[in-house]
Amino acid sequence: AQTVTQSQPEMSVQEAETVTLSCTYDTSENNYYLFWYKQPPSRQMILVIRQEAYKQQNATENRFSVNFQKAAKSFSLKISDSQLGDTAMYFCAFMKHEGGGADGLTFGKGTHLIIQP
Amino acid sequence: DAGITQSPRHKVTETGTPVTLRCHQTENHRYMYWYRQDPGHGLRLIHYSYGVKDTDKGEVSDGYSVSRSKTEDFLLTLESATSSQTSVYFCAISESGLAGFEQYFGPGTRLTVT
Repeated sequence: AQTVTQSQPEMSVQEAETVTLSCTYDTSENNYYLFWYKQPPSRQMILVIRQEAYKQQNATENRFSVNFQKAAKSFSLKISDSQLGDTAMYFCAFMKHEGGGADGLTFGKGTHLIIQP
Repeated sequence: DAGITQSPRHKVTETGTPVTLRCHQTENHRYMYWYRQDPGHGLRLIHYSYGVKDTDKGEVSDGYSVSRSKTEDFLLTLESATSSQTSVYFCAISESGLAGFEQYFGPGTRLTVT
């Protein structure tokens, strides 16, 4: 079984600052995917970024980037030029690759990110 | 946005009553999932389906059953609701071939068992 740990229950930064959310995971799998999901107060789950474990290059999506360290089983999310709309819960999630996509996601407990004006 | 709806969106029920939550998709995706979200736990997988009439248990399946008679519908049933099943329930869909098997989530159902 996999476990995902987010060690920061809550973080608060000023608008326009850069913030990094931490995520570590434990697995014996070699092929897997990692995700960051955002959940704003509307409760909708929104995919922020994904990373395939076989890719060494870190994924980026506009202001969002990850630092994927496979050997250390670490998957942190960096948000640059933070905006008020980034205020949300952020969840790190893991999925095995075997199974052709049928397996569900294993989530961390989340980090509540607050962007202060 | 992926075409996923959940019904009802809110429900209050009494302990011991049966409850069925519905997830409906218009994307013709093969895989469907039910998660529950509780404070301090993130989202946890209850059951999932990998095709019509093909389902399997997730991490927290006790007290829940599911059915999928059509591609577009995935039902979650609480046979006899308990207060510990008060939660927000999310449905998600996915399809093989999508980059990273991305899962799209429905809007959630808030269930309160009194």
